[in-house]
Amino acid sequence: GQQVMQIPQYQHVQEGEDFTTYCNSSTTLSNIQWYKQRPGGHPVFLIQLVKSGEVKKQKRLTFQFGEAKKNSSLHITATQTTDVGTYFCAGPSKAAGNKLTFGGGTRVLVKP
Amino acid sequence: GAGVSQSPSNKVTEKGKDVELRCDPISGHTALYWYRQSLGQGLEFLIYFQGNSAPDKSGLPSDRFSAERTGGSVSTLTIQRTQQEDSAVYLCASSLGVVNKPQHFGDGTRLSIL
Repeated sequence: GQQVMQIPQYQHVQEGEDFTTYCNSSTTLSNIQWYKQRPGGHPVFLIQLVKSGEVKKQKRLTFQFGEAKKNSSLHITATQTTDVGTYFCAGPSKAAGNKLTFGGGTRVLVKP
Repeated sequence: GAGVSQSPSNKVTEKGKDVELRCDPISGHTALYWYRQSLGQGLEFLIYFQGNSAPDKSGLPSDRFSAERTGGSVSTLTIQRTQQEDSAVYLCASSLGVVNKPQHFGDGTRLSIL
C-alpha cells in the first residue's frame, strides 16, 4: 500500500536558524496536506498543495510540492520557539478510497 | 458546535473494563476519522466513516475495538476488555468529505489503563 515517509524524524534547531523537513510518497499524489501539532495539542491543518511544483508561503513557512507530485517540503526561516511541535504531511491513498495517509511526522525542537 | 468535540477528555480505568469514547464532529461534516497516538508517536489510523458506513476498518488493532456512527453525526469508539497497551490518546477528526478535504481534529481522549 501507499507509504508516506518524513525525514528527519527529529529536528533540533537553534533559534533564528532555517531548516527544511521532507515528505516522500511511494505513489503519485493528487494533493498533499501539512499539519502542525503543538506539544499537548492536536494536529491543526496548515495548508494543501495541489499543483505540480506548487509553492505556497505562510509567513516564515514555505511549502513546496514536487514536480512529480511524489514529494513535498516545508522550509522554516528564522525559527522561533513558537515553531516547536510535530509537523505531519498527509496524502490521499487511491487504494483506500482517497483516505489521507499521514507520515510519521518531524518533531521540531528549538534551542533558545 | 464550532469544532470537533470529544468526551471524556481523560479516562482512567482498570484493565479488563470496557470503555466508550465519544466524538461529535463539526456540523455538516460527512467524514469522520478515529486515530490513536501514543506518547511521542505518530498518528495510527483506526477507522473512518463516510456518513454512517465504515468503508475502511483496517486499522482497528483487534476485535476488542469497534466503532459506530449514527445519524451521520456522533460516533462512538468502544474498547472491550481493555489492556494496558490500549493506553494512548484517541483522536477524532472530521472533514467535509473524504477527497481533498482537510481534517479538523478534536482535543482527544487520554485513556489510561491501570
